[in-house]
Amino acid sequence: GESVGLHLPTLSVQEGDNSIINCAYSNSASDYFIWYKQESGKGPQFIIDIRSNMDKRQGQRVTVLLNKTVKHLSLQIAATQPGDSAVYFCAERGKTSYDKVIFGPGTSLSVIP
Amino acid sequence: DSGVTQTPKHLITATGQRVTLRCSPRSGDLSVYWYQQSLDQGLQFLIHYYNGEERAKGNILERFSAQQFPDLHSELNLSSLELGDSALYFCASSARASDGAFFGQGTRLTVV
Repeated sequence: GESVGLHLPTLSVQEGDNSIINCAYSNSASDYFIWYKQESGKGPQFIIDIRSNMDKRQGQRVTVLLNKTVKHLSLQIAATQPGDSAVYFCAERGKTSYDKVIFGPGTSLSVIP
Repeated sequence: DSGVTQTPKHLITATGQRVTLRCSPRSGDLSVYWYQQSLDQGLQFLIHYYNGEERAKGNILERFSAQQFPDLHSELNLSSLELGDSALYFCASSARASDGAFFGQGTRLTVV
């Protein structure tokens, strides 16, 4: 079936280090990509998005990189903090809002104090 | 607080029953999305409404239906419930149809 990403992996990083969370997407026609953070017991929270006409976009302490050649998306978190501990999801969508949104299985990030 | 309100927060019901989940989007948002999150299926997109009209449909069962009302709130109706329908149901909203969305806290549905 359709899928974005791999089986749920776990990433552990030391507080203060940079984190890199990866996501592979399957649909080469996907045009819009979003990263979400989900803390335990809460709904997903929008972090950053990127469209296919860009290969990099920066936010506050986060950077998303898009490599369309290999259909790969990554989220970099600078100076990871304990509050960054959560499950991170990538999501993809086609060129229009008439396309459905597909979420990856998520990556669990654990920050070691 | 994302500004998206979902009610109820928890719902326990029996198999075969019908329930309605309600979502109030952020003020001014025209798009409403519904998602189902279960342990074995992850986050599954169900349906997207924009300003009252269905915009995209995902893995939504025929037993499920949704609508967005003129005041932009939305309801997700789940009927003939099965044990496998137990999950977290999230609503999300965005200002435009093409933006990343802001999620509510979810409704946890337990079918017994």
